[in-house]
Amino acid sequence: DAGITQSPRHKVTETGTPVTLRCHQTENHRYMYWYRQDPGHGLRLIHYSYGVKDTDKGEVSDGYSVSRSKTEDFLLTLESATSSQTSVYFCATQTGLTTEAFFGQGTRLTVV
Amino acid sequence: AQSVTQLDSHVSVSEGTPVLLRCNYSSSYSPSLFWYVQHPNKGLQLLLKYTSAATLVKGINGFEAEFKKSETSFHLTKPSAHMSDAAEYFCVVSAGAGSYQLTFGKGTKLSVIP
Repeated sequence: DAGITQSPRHKVTETGTPVTLRCHQTENHRYMYWYRQDPGHGLRLIHYSYGVKDTDKGEVSDGYSVSRSKTEDFLLTLESATSSQTSVYFCATQTGLTTEAFFGQGTRLTVV
Repeated sequence: AQSVTQLDSHVSVSEGTPVLLRCNYSSSYSPSLFWYVQHPNKGLQLLLKYTSAATLVKGINGFEAEFKKSETSFHLTKPSAHMSDAAEYFCVVSAGAGSYQLTFGKGTKLSVIP
């Protein structure tokens, strides 16, 4: 398995609080992604990174921000958590744009 | 722009019978295509990939898929279903040059009846 670690694996938080999810990779992959998975929607892209300090928005970026200060870490922040952000979040990495993506084990986030 | 349509949200087969999971795509570029499998409460595992080499692609656990450009399809098949194949399957397209995004289908849940 590619060395992708997500933390925490499970989190329960209250509405209105900030939350940060971490993705750490040991593969030196250039591209990193954050997805959310909800029933009936598959995986939807939140934000992605194509290099250190280079990030951009995906299709469901509202309410989320990201940072990538070094190759191995990609942080996802929910600025003020809402119940609609209850979901399973997956981090993924790629070496190149035509190569397969490798996924972390996911973070189950519940906003109450 | 690119998109992926998985034509069935749920497929149910008997153990030992063939599996067919259907996927159609659209892409402005020559795409790379992937099938991933997700078992309950697990991450996503790559089953197979097409990246412009042979159009018939063999993957793990006896799965294969055929890239048909004229039909813009990339259907996943397996000759004989096993109970352990019960999972959710995702078809994914990567447009490559000009796009940083992987686009996912909404998934097909495969049930295998003993």
